[in-house]
Amino acid sequence: QPVLTQSSSAFASLGSSVKLTCTLSSGHSSDIIAWHQQQPGKAPRYLMKLESSGSYNKGSGVPDRFSGSRSGADRYLTISNLQSEDEADYYCETWDSNTRVFGTGTKVTVL
Amino acid sequence: EVQLLESGGGLVQPGGSLRLSCAASGFTFSNYDMTWVRQAPGKGLEWVSSVTTSGSSTYYADSVKGRFTISRDNSNNTLYLLMDSLRAEDTAVYYCAKLVAATGTVDWGQGTLVTVSS
Repeated sequence: QPVLTQSSSAFASLGSSVKLTCTLSSGHSSDIIAWHQQQPGKAPRYLMKLESSGSYNKGSGVPDRFSGSRSGADRYLTISNLQSEDEADYYCETWDSNTRVFGTGTKVTVL
Repeated sequence: EVQLLESGGGLVQPGGSLRLSCAASGFTFSNYDMTWVRQAPGKGLEWVSSVTTSGSSTYYADSVKGRFTISRDNSNNTLYLLMDSLRAEDTAVYYCAKLVAATGTVDWGQGTLVTVSS
């Protein structure tokens, strides 16, 4: 089954940009992933689907400053013009025929 | 608007059982696969189980296989998770969520807390 690797933390200043990485395990570099945001004390929220081509489709109401991209087995979530409400945990997700997998999550701190 | 409302959480002793429910509204429930995801205190998200639209196919994480049973009632728009032989490590907030094919876990409930302790 696929494994997703994320760094544990990221720090960026208010108004700047931050790029989060989710790496797919060997043999799964073409998989689709989804990105989710979990603000403190809240349920997760779906942000987008990111295809192996690098194209992405965002969920309803997700601000324009959230975007996705890819390079090889790496899938990226970029948050531009960082806002205080973007301080949250971000998880990537993928799946195969009978399992689903989440990455360990990246905690974004807005300085 | 999609709404997923979990219920049934609470305190249970090790070895005990609990049944979680998830009432769905705002979409055609029978058209979507559904899933349960949990989050232990201070930890990340962990997929627990999924069920296909008709309920004919079910899938489980190794950590719960043989102890948990997922099911659905399409006539009442409700998803269930029956949890038996509960362990301390099953303590978590359990989220009900809607899956969209080739897209991921698209809609999440607010979660219900299950605490396994003596």
